[in-house]
Amino acid sequence: AQKVTQAQTEISVVEKEDVTLDCVYETRDTTYYLFWYKQPPSGELVFLIRRNSFDEQNEISGRYSWNFQKSTSSFNFTITASQVVDSAVYFCALSNAGNMLTFGGGTRLMVKP
Amino acid sequence: GAGVSQSPRYKVTKRGQDVALRCDPISGHVSLYWYRQALGQGPEFLTYFNYEAQQDKSGLPNDRFSAERPEGSISTLTIQRTEQRDSAMYRCASSQQAFSSYNEQFFGPGTRLTVL
Repeated sequence: AQKVTQAQTEISVVEKEDVTLDCVYETRDTTYYLFWYKQPPSGELVFLIRRNSFDEQNEISGRYSWNFQKSTSSFNFTITASQVVDSAVYFCALSNAGNMLTFGGGTRLMVKP
Repeated sequence: GAGVSQSPRYKVTKRGQDVALRCDPISGHVSLYWYRQALGQGPEFLTYFNYEAQQDKSGLPNDRFSAERPEGSISTLTIQRTEQRDSAMYRCASSQQAFSSYNEQFFGPGTRLTVL
């Protein structure tokens, strides 16, 4: 069975602060893929990034960065210099050969001006 | 038609009625997924199709739920004899290739179902 845990249900920061969203996963598969999705107040689910289990290189995209550590089964997401537009619910997800995504419970990020 | 579309966007029904939720995937996408998202939670997998074949229906909660994709494009999720606990956002997603967990799933806007 697969499981994704996002222990932080809600985080509040002030604009320009850095913030890290934690994601811990469980799977018995050796090949798997990890994803982050953003759900803004409008409700849609927006894809942010995917990572496969064989690639532990960290990735940076603008103000966003992701840290994948197999040793701790974690795939954390950092937003640098947060902005009000970053306010959303962020979901971490896992997929394996079964193709479907297993989502965490989400972290609600509130960025205050 | 760039993205995944779902209809209706909102559905209010009375307990005991049947409802049909429609998903129109991105043109050419082989795989289609259904998820259910309760308020304040992450989406949960219901079922998925490659082309017209239902590959996995292990997430369907009970036999009141069924799905089809007869021509490998549009899909319908049907809930019979709805109950209040069925109230949720129902999301559809599609991806380009079959049998590839690497594929990004593109999500539709969802159908908000409310059972009174």
